[in-house]
Amino acid sequence: DSGVTQTPKHLITATGQRVTLRCSPRSGDLSVYWYQQSLDQGLQFLIQYYNGEERAKGNILERFSAQQFPDLHSELNLSSLELGDSALYFCASSVDALGNTIYFGEGSWLTVV
Amino acid sequence: AQSVAQPEDQVNVAEGNPLTVKCTYSVSGNPYLFWYVQYPNRGLQFLLKYITGDNLVKGSYGFEAEFNKSQTSFHLKKPSALVSDSALYFCAVRSTTDSWGKFQFGAGTQVVVTP
Repeated sequence: DSGVTQTPKHLITATGQRVTLRCSPRSGDLSVYWYQQSLDQGLQFLIQYYNGEERAKGNILERFSAQQFPDLHSELNLSSLELGDSALYFCASSVDALGNTIYFGEGSWLTVV
Repeated sequence: AQSVAQPEDQVNVAEGNPLTVKCTYSVSGNPYLFWYVQYPNRGLQFLLKYITGDNLVKGSYGFEAEFNKSQTSFHLKKPSALVSDSALYFCAVRSTTDSWGKFQFGAGTQVVVTP
């Protein structure tokens, strides 16, 4: 158990809908990362937050957004969902912004039908 | 820009035999290198990392990796593979010049250990 908690574990939704994925980092970790894992794209970095502020952006679509709250948990919002958004979404955390080691949650499986 | 290559989609090995999973990288500046393992329907688990110092790094579950700067490689090794080592292995790199924690992951190598 990495200490990173993600909910929900599985989610099935229809195209055009909006979902929110939630992540609680390890105790004491200030940095949260979101990754998308799909068969054709591999593991793609989406976005990083550090202590409530956006720190870095990767291949995140404009339909997606995220935030980190004062209690350090983070949410990834996915809107206007398309079939191609079906993937495993991982949250990871690290103690600092540099992320010398990042620890992953178990992931949230999103299926868009 | 940084990149990671795992040249083998799959590695097959018999239990008890040595296991090697290859990784090469490209970064501007010096690299921080990592190996993670993913079991079916699970998150990625940290195995080991190279930051600085000894080129041979020892990690969890009997795994080790050797940093080779001239060949820009960071191959993962285990002297005697177990069936339970069957999983998906990811190599990742981050440049020391990055001011934030962007990791570039390889495509992954599926390891299959047969009894």
